[in-house]
Amino acid sequence: KNQVEQSPQSLIILEGKNCTLQCNYTVSPFSNLRWYKQDTGRGPVSLTIMTFSENTKSNGRYTATLDADTKQSSLHITASQLSDSASYICVVSAKKNNDMRFGAGTRLTVKP
Amino acid sequence: NAGVTQTPKFQVLKTGQSMTLQCAQDMNHEYMSWYRQDPGMGLRLIHYSVGAGITDQGEVPNGYNVSRSTTEDFPLRLLSAAPSQTSVYFCASSWGRRFWQPQHFGDGTRLSIL
Repeated sequence: KNQVEQSPQSLIILEGKNCTLQCNYTVSPFSNLRWYKQDTGRGPVSLTIMTFSENTKSNGRYTATLDADTKQSSLHITASQLSDSASYICVVSAKKNNDMRFGAGTRLTVKP
Repeated sequence: NAGVTQTPKFQVLKTGQSMTLQCAQDMNHEYMSWYRQDPGMGLRLIHYSVGAGITDQGEVPNGYNVSRSTTEDFPLRLLSAAPSQTSVYFCASSWGRRFWQPQHFGDGTRLSIL
């Protein structure tokens, strides 16, 4: 079983609406969690990183949260734009050797 | 800024053929890695390098070879292509294998093995 599970697999929303993507992990011992955005046909680009002591971090219209006790993270997108259409990938690193485990991603489609 | 450049972008091979996927970065990054991305699965690490002359295996190394003769280049070789190696391959680089340093990814090579 994958140590990083993302939900939903895909999501369609209207432009201007908000949405929340989920990431649950079992990676242990936990070091950090990073969210990447991957546009179609491109490589992933880092959006934000969360460490054990951080609960919330924002990057423009993107807000990531982390609950290290329940091993859950979310990525909230506010006032979505067409350019937000992409896959969003959650990556969790373990303290040992900084081994990284990638989620399968959530495919977000923003429609006008 | 070029960042991480991968060539070719697309490739079709026949089973048993060999080929090299090229990766070059111009950021003087120490750490480079190769991943494959398959539908419904997260990226999986194939091989990585912490510096010129040093390489190591990742999660799925079988059927692939790498070398790191320079800081800039990190080619991935498929020895004898198999249909199971049909995938999208990403090369990435960073200053080091430390959590605060994000990886910079290339735009991928889409490889089909017939």
